[in-house]
Amino acid sequence: DTEVTQTPKHLVMGMTNKKSLKCEQHMGHRAMYWYKQKAKKPPELMFVYSYEKLSINESVPSRFSPECPNSSLLNLHLHALQPEDSALYLCASSRDDRGGYAEAFFGQGTRLTVV
Amino acid sequence: TQLLEQSPQFLSIQEGENLTVYCNSSSVFSSLQWYRQEPGEGPVLLVTVVTGGEVKKLKRLTFQFGDARKDSSLHITAAQPGDTGLYLCAGSQAGGYNKLIFGAGTRLAVHP
Repeated sequence: DTEVTQTPKHLVMGMTNKKSLKCEQHMGHRAMYWYKQKAKKPPELMFVYSYEKLSINESVPSRFSPECPNSSLLNLHLHALQPEDSALYLCASSRDDRGGYAEAFFGQGTRLTVV
Repeated sequence: TQLLEQSPQFLSIQEGENLTVYCNSSSVFSSLQWYRQEPGEGPVLLVTVVTGGEVKKLKRLTFQFGDARKDSSLHITAAQPGDTGLYLCAGSQAGGYNKLIFGAGTRLAVHP
């Protein structure tokens, strides 16, 4: 099973709302990621978790708050977003391999629209 | 600075034609992955290459990793409309803390 499940698939939120994106994997992967993808662009890395600890934060604004409650789950809490934050948010997981050999598997993404 | 240069950016061809997409870098990668992405969906992993000079085949798709592990290519034989999508190469480096570096992508349209 190489499935990464993201919910919800679509989300529309106002600039004063608080919402959360959820991601789940059951491949035993210990590295999990959040990416942001704007239209016609490649995915941009936001956060990397390794063994449930935040290992990379790519200077993401604090209105995005990641959380890794256990080895299978990854959340992204959203608060006071701006319209320019509208994008496809992708979760991915892989083995934790510092040698650079791990394959990343992506979820279907959450299409976020901020109004 | 784009660490992985992917070309061409766009490709529009007729069904049955062959095509090659290139992914080049001045840096060495431990592994390189190719993904295909359809609109509104997440990237789907096609293949991972790890050994310099490695060639992998997936039906009509042939993937090659350069001898120096700095570049890769994807060749599609007899393209079909179902091959339409965004093709992304992504590299991973030792000590990169699981960080994938993406190329800009190649948007392929195959017309019947």
